[in-house]
Amino acid sequence: DAKTTQPPSMDCAEGRAANLPCNHSTISGNEYVYWYRQIHSQGPQYIIHGLKNNETNEMASLIITEDRKSSTLILPHATLRDTAVYYCIVSGNTGKLIFGQGTTLQVKP
Amino acid sequence: EAGVVQSPRYKIIEKKQPVAFWCNPISGHNTLYWYLQNLGQGPELLIRYENEEAVDDSQLPKDRFSAERLKGVDSTLKIQPAELGDSAVYLCASSTGAFSGETQYFGPGTRLLVL
Repeated sequence: DAKTTQPPSMDCAEGRAANLPCNHSTISGNEYVYWYRQIHSQGPQYIIHGLKNNETNEMASLIITEDRKSSTLILPHATLRDTAVYYCIVSGNTGKLIFGQGTTLQVKP
Repeated sequence: EAGVVQSPRYKIIEKKQPVAFWCNPISGHNTLYWYLQNLGQGPELLIRYENEEAVDDSQLPKDRFSAERLKGVDSTLKIQPAELGDSAVYLCASSTGAFSGETQYFGPGTRLLVL
Protein backbone atom coordinates (compact mmCIF):
# COMPACT_ATOMS: atom_id res chain seq x y z
CA ASP A 1 0.00 0.00 0.00
CA ALA A 2 1.29 3.45 -0.94
CA LYS A 3 2.31 5.86 1.80
CA THR A 4 1.01 9.40 2.10
CA THR A 5 2.59 12.63 3.29
CA GLN A 6 0.56 15.41 4.89
CA PRO A 7 1.49 18.61 6.69
CA PRO A 8 1.15 18.10 10.45
CA SER A 9 -1.05 21.15 10.98
CA MET A 10 -2.94 23.90 9.20
CA ASP A 11 -5.08 26.86 10.16
CA CYS A 12 -8.12 28.18 8.35
CA ALA A 13 -10.40 31.14 8.95
CA GLU A 14 -14.03 30.35 9.56
CA GLY A 15 -16.09 30.72 6.41
CA ARG A 16 -13.11 30.35 4.11
CA ALA A 17 -12.19 27.31 2.07
CA ALA A 18 -9.82 24.84 3.70
CA ASN A 19 -7.46 23.16 1.25
CA LEU A 20 -5.68 20.15 2.69
CA PRO A 21 -2.86 18.71 0.57
CA CYS A 22 -1.65 15.12 0.41
CA ASN A 23 1.25 13.55 -1.47
CA HIS A 24 1.07 9.90 -2.55
CA SER A 25 3.81 9.63 -5.16
CA THR A 26 3.98 5.80 -5.02
CA ILE A 27 0.29 5.22 -5.66
CA SER A 28 -0.49 2.41 -8.09
CA GLY A 29 -3.19 2.19 -10.70
CA ASN A 30 -5.89 0.44 -8.70
CA GLU A 31 -5.41 2.25 -5.40
CA TYR A 32 -8.00 4.73 -4.19
CA VAL A 33 -7.40 7.92 -2.23
CA TYR A 34 -9.55 8.17 0.90
CA TRP A 35 -10.07 11.03 3.30
CA TYR A 36 -11.31 10.57 6.84
CA ARG A 37 -11.44 12.99 9.70
CA GLN A 38 -11.47 12.48 13.44
CA ILE A 39 -12.94 14.94 15.83
CA HIS A 40 -11.73 14.66 19.40
CA SER A 41 -13.05 11.61 21.24
CA GLN A 42 -14.96 10.30 18.22
CA GLY A 43 -14.30 7.55 15.71
CA PRO A 44 -12.92 8.43 12.26
CA GLN A 45 -15.58 9.84 9.94
CA TYR A 46 -15.53 9.03 6.24
CA ILE A 47 -15.43 12.13 4.04
CA ILE A 48 -14.77 11.17 0.44
CA HIS A 49 -12.72 8.94 -1.83
CA GLY A 50 -11.67 8.80 -5.47
CA LEU A 51 -9.61 6.91 -8.01
CA LYS A 52 -8.78 9.23 -10.89
CA ASN A 53 -11.52 11.77 -11.31
CA ASN A 54 -12.32 14.67 -9.05
CA GLU A 55 -15.14 13.93 -6.65
CA THR A 56 -17.62 16.09 -4.77
CA ASN A 57 -20.19 15.31 -2.11
CA GLU A 58 -22.10 17.23 0.50
CA MET A 59 -19.08 17.43 2.76
CA ALA A 60 -16.14 18.17 0.52
CA SER A 61 -14.43 18.03 -2.85
CA LEU A 62 -11.47 15.87 -3.75
CA ILE A 63 -9.08 17.05 -6.43
CA ILE A 64 -6.65 14.42 -7.72
CA THR A 65 -3.80 15.47 -10.00
CA GLU A 66 -3.61 13.94 -13.44
CA ASP A 67 -0.54 11.86 -12.52
CA ARG A 68 -2.36 10.81 -9.29
CA LYS A 69 0.70 11.58 -7.19
CA SER A 70 -1.06 14.13 -5.05
CA SER A 71 -4.51 15.26 -4.05
CA THR A 72 -6.28 18.08 -2.23
CA LEU A 73 -9.29 17.90 0.02
CA ILE A 74 -11.37 21.05 -0.12
CA LEU A 75 -13.87 22.06 2.56
CA PRO A 76 -15.60 24.93 0.78
CA HIS A 77 -16.80 26.92 3.78
CA ALA A 78 -15.01 25.81 6.92
CA THR A 79 -16.81 26.08 10.24
CA LEU A 80 -15.53 25.69 13.78
CA ARG A 81 -16.99 22.17 13.78
CA ASP A 82 -14.57 21.21 11.02
CA THR A 83 -11.68 21.43 13.46
CA ALA A 84 -10.29 17.89 13.45
CA VAL A 85 -7.46 15.62 12.37
CA TYR A 86 -7.75 14.85 8.67
CA TYR A 87 -6.28 11.61 7.33
CA CYS A 88 -5.35 11.00 3.71
CA ILE A 89 -5.07 7.26 3.00
CA VAL A 90 -4.25 5.25 -0.09
CA SER A 91 -6.02 1.91 -0.10
CA GLY A 92 -5.23 -1.11 -2.22
CA ASN A 93 -6.88 -4.33 -3.29
CA THR A 94 -8.00 -5.51 0.13
CA GLY A 95 -9.43 -2.15 1.15
CA LYS A 96 -6.91 -1.98 3.97
CA LEU A 97 -6.57 1.47 5.52
CA ILE A 98 -3.17 2.48 6.89
CA PHE A 99 -3.51 5.69 8.85
CA GLY A 100 -0.63 8.12 9.18
CA GLN A 101 -0.38 11.08 11.51
CA GLY A 102 -2.81 13.19 9.52
CA THR A 103 -3.19 16.96 9.40
CA THR A 104 -4.62 18.79 12.38
CA LEU A 105 -6.88 21.48 10.95
CA GLN A 106 -7.70 24.34 13.28
CA VAL A 107 -10.57 26.54 12.11
CA LYS A 108 -10.38 29.92 13.74
CA PRO A 109 -13.16 32.49 14.20
CA GLU B 1 -29.70 3.83 9.16
CA ALA B 2 -27.90 2.96 12.37
CA GLY B 3 -24.14 3.23 12.34
CA VAL B 4 -21.58 0.95 13.92
CA VAL B 5 -22.40 0.43 17.58
CA GLN B 6 -19.77 -0.22 20.21
CA SER B 7 -19.99 -0.84 23.92
CA PRO B 8 -18.95 0.05 26.45
CA ARG B 9 -17.82 3.55 25.53
CA TYR B 10 -15.44 3.72 28.47
CA LYS B 11 -13.82 1.07 30.62
CA ILE B 12 -11.44 1.34 33.55
CA ILE B 13 -9.82 -1.81 34.87
CA GLU B 14 -6.83 -2.82 36.92
CA LYS B 15 -3.91 -4.51 35.24
CA LYS B 16 -4.08 -8.29 34.90
CA GLN B 17 -7.89 -8.16 34.72
CA PRO B 18 -9.76 -9.35 31.62
CA VAL B 19 -11.80 -6.98 29.48
CA ALA B 20 -14.11 -7.39 26.49
CA PHE B 21 -15.39 -5.00 23.87
CA TRP B 22 -18.47 -5.51 21.73
CA CYS B 23 -19.24 -4.31 18.24
CA ASN B 24 -22.41 -4.41 16.13
CA PRO B 25 -21.67 -3.49 12.51
CA ILE B 26 -23.94 -1.74 10.04
CA SER B 27 -26.66 -4.09 8.83
CA GLY B 28 -25.60 -6.00 5.76
CA HIS B 29 -21.90 -5.33 6.19
CA ASN B 30 -20.01 -8.58 5.84
CA THR B 31 -16.58 -7.18 6.66
CA LEU B 32 -15.69 -6.12 10.18
CA TYR B 33 -12.49 -4.56 11.45
CA TRP B 34 -10.97 -3.94 14.86
CA TYR B 35 -8.46 -1.11 15.19
CA LEU B 36 -6.30 0.10 18.04
CA GLN B 37 -5.61 3.80 18.44
CA ASN B 38 -2.94 5.01 20.83
CA LEU B 39 -2.95 8.59 22.04
CA GLY B 40 -1.80 10.97 19.32
CA GLN B 41 -1.56 8.25 16.68
CA GLY B 42 -3.72 7.09 13.81
CA PRO B 43 -5.71 3.85 14.13
CA GLU B 44 -3.88 0.58 13.44
CA LEU B 45 -5.62 -2.53 12.18
CA LEU B 46 -5.73 -5.47 14.60
CA ILE B 47 -7.97 -7.93 12.75
CA ARG B 48 -10.33 -8.14 9.79
CA TYR B 49 -13.27 -10.51 9.45
CA GLU B 50 -15.04 -11.62 6.31
CA ASN B 51 -18.33 -12.89 7.71
CA GLU B 52 -17.23 -15.16 10.57
CA GLU B 53 -13.72 -15.83 9.24
CA ALA B 54 -10.69 -13.91 10.48
CA VAL B 55 -8.79 -13.25 7.23
CA ASP B 56 -6.16 -10.80 8.48
CA ASP B 57 -5.06 -11.07 12.10
CA SER B 58 -1.34 -10.56 11.59
CA GLN B 59 -1.29 -7.49 13.86
CA LEU B 60 -3.28 -9.06 16.70
CA PRO B 61 -1.08 -9.87 19.75
CA LYS B 62 -2.32 -13.39 20.14
CA ASP B 63 -0.77 -14.05 23.52
CA ARG B 64 -3.33 -11.85 25.24
CA PHE B 65 -5.79 -10.67 22.59
CA SER B 66 -8.57 -12.73 21.06
CA ALA B 67 -11.56 -11.94 18.89
CA GLU B 68 -14.59 -13.73 17.61
CA ARG B 69 -17.48 -13.16 15.24
CA LEU B 70 -19.48 -16.32 15.71
CA LYS B 71 -22.53 -15.68 13.53
CA GLY B 72 -20.89 -13.27 11.12
CA VAL B 73 -22.59 -10.22 12.62
CA ASP B 74 -21.58 -9.00 16.09
CA SER B 75 -17.99 -9.27 17.22
CA THR B 76 -16.18 -9.32 20.54
CA LEU B 77 -12.56 -8.36 21.18
CA LYS B 78 -11.03 -9.61 24.41
CA ILE B 79 -7.85 -8.87 26.32
CA GLN B 80 -6.71 -11.26 29.03
CA PRO B 81 -4.79 -10.24 31.03
CA ALA B 82 -4.73 -6.51 30.41
CA GLU B 83 -1.46 -4.60 30.75
CA LEU B 84 -0.83 -0.91 31.38
CA GLY B 85 0.24 -0.46 27.76
CA ASP B 86 -3.16 -1.60 26.53
CA SER B 87 -4.68 1.74 27.52
CA ALA B 88 -5.98 3.06 24.22
CA VAL B 89 -9.10 3.48 22.11
CA TYR B 90 -10.43 0.33 20.45
CA LEU B 91 -12.33 1.08 17.26
CA CYS B 92 -14.63 -1.14 15.27
CA ALA B 93 -15.42 -0.52 11.60
CA SER B 94 -17.47 -2.29 8.97
CA SER B 95 -17.90 -2.33 5.21
CA THR B 96 -19.89 -4.30 2.65
CA GLY B 97 -16.69 -5.94 1.43
CA ALA B 98 -12.92 -5.69 1.59
CA PHE B 99 -11.84 -4.60 -1.84
CA SER B 100 -10.55 -1.51 -3.51
CA GLY B 101 -13.08 1.30 -3.52
CA GLU B 102 -15.09 0.07 -0.57
CA THR B 103 -15.75 2.41 2.34
CA GLN B 104 -15.22 1.56 5.99
CA TYR B 105 -17.49 3.15 8.56
CA PHE B 106 -16.26 3.49 12.11
CA GLY B 107 -17.97 3.28 15.45
CA PRO B 108 -17.32 5.72 18.30
CA GLY B 109 -14.75 3.47 19.94
CA THR B 110 -14.19 2.09 23.43
CA ARG B 111 -11.73 4.05 25.53
CA LEU B 112 -9.81 1.68 27.83
CA LEU B 113 -7.79 2.78 30.82
CA VAL B 114 -5.70 0.16 32.59
CA LEU B 115 -4.54 1.13 36.08
